[in-house]
Amino acid sequence: GQQVMQIPQYQHVQEGEDFTTYCNSSTTLSNIQWYKQRPGGHPVFLIQLVKSGEVKKQKRLTFQFGEAKKNSSLHITATQTTDVGTYFCAGRDSGYALNFGKGTSLLVTP
Amino acid sequence: NAGVTQTPKFQVLKTGQSMTLQCAQDMNHEYMSWYRQDPGMGLRLIHYSVGAGITDQGEVPNGYNVSRSTTEDFPLRLLSAAPSQTSVYFCASTNRQVGGWVSPGNTIYFGEGSWLTVV
Repeated sequence: GQQVMQIPQYQHVQEGEDFTTYCNSSTTLSNIQWYKQRPGGHPVFLIQLVKSGEVKKQKRLTFQFGEAKKNSSLHITATQTTDVGTYFCAGRDSGYALNFGKGTSLLVTP
Repeated sequence: NAGVTQTPKFQVLKTGQSMTLQCAQDMNHEYMSWYRQDPGMGLRLIHYSVGAGITDQGEVPNGYNVSRSTTEDFPLRLLSAAPSQTSVYFCASTNRQVGGWVSPGNTIYFGEGSWLTVV
């Protein structure tokens, strides 16, 4: 079945540094979604990417969907302490199930 | 508009006991699902439903039952609790898929989670 791999598992940065997390699927995805989960909280939907090569921005966050629709990335420019949390990608192939990556935990120190 | 409501928030069970985690949404979403989250494992799909009267298994369904008698409610039942079911459980809902899982602009909503410990 479809597997979604996410790297790195952890990332510790100084405030102001950039951060990137990568998501790779074993199969072609129909779309990919990104979520953020604060410590002790629940996942919050950030964005969905549908088109091959799509790039979307939300303030300091840039999301990309690969040309082959098998990989995606989330890049945060100039991290802030409010960016702390775990970032998950979730991909769907042709079925109903949404398969989550294991997440990248981001720690930002001032 | 409460969104997705899960109860209870915390529960301790003894091995072999049964219980039901409740999930309700007031957004008239057709699609609802249950996930469990364990350290280092991400979110794993237990069961899902694409509408009232329709349920299907996800990645880790063993030991759990679901039913969907109404659009609003999607309870998750643990039949005979085991320590391996100690986890955080999240219910999620979203609109019916249109041309894909979620049409652009739709949002997937998660409940706040239920922390379950089986001793």
